[in-house]
Amino acid sequence: AQSVTQPDIHITVSEGASLELRCNYSYGATPYLFWYVQSPGQGLQLLLKYFSGDTLVQGIKGFEAEFKRSQSSFNLRKPSVHWSDAAEYFCAVGITANAGGTSYGKLTFGQGTILTVHP
Amino acid sequence: DGGITQSPKYLFRKEGQNVTLSCEQNLNHDAMYWYRQDPGQGLRLIYYSQIVNDFQKGDIAEGYSVSREKKESFPLTVTSAQKNPTAFYLCASSFGVFGRFFGPGTRLTVL
Repeated sequence: AQSVTQPDIHITVSEGASLELRCNYSYGATPYLFWYVQSPGQGLQLLLKYFSGDTLVQGIKGFEAEFKRSQSSFNLRKPSVHWSDAAEYFCAVGITANAGGTSYGKLTFGQGTILTVHP
Repeated sequence: DGGITQSPKYLFRKEGQNVTLSCEQNLNHDAMYWYRQDPGQGLRLIYYSQIVNDFQKGDIAEGYSVSREKKESFPLTVTSAQKNPTAFYLCASSFGVFGRFFGPGTRLTVL
């Protein structure tokens, strides 16, 4: 079964500093990969996704992520963090699963990384 | 504006009572999902529905029930059989196979 690990529960950075959030996945084939962001008490918003092709993907809000097959990783990066980036970030793996005789796209989420930004 | 509405935002119930969480979407999406979120555990799938009048159990369906009588609506009932119902519940609808558009969530507290 697929799984996703986000090794860092909580990360603190200063505003203007660079950011890297780690994500490792376990899956037999190349999965579809996603990063979501969640502000406190809110739903999740998609930052970016990787399906195939260029392993460096660009997302919204200045974020990017790099897929590294050899390391089973999909780390999220931002060159300069803004105070408004403080939130919880979730990495997710998507696979095609079967249930009840039909297939659907199943997302498995990591545990999340809380980002705190100091002024 | 298109989106997903979840109501109420905060819900309090006494132990042993059933409670229904509302989820409405006007995005014309066929598929809808319910996730449960607990601190440090990410999101776990409770139920999903790919089409009206059809739904499937997710990874943690025990103690929950759903219905899908209309395309726009996918209510979730948390029954008294759910051992630890206090959590943040997120509804989502799907554009494409993996696209998920999330609602703002309902925080349920069982006293």
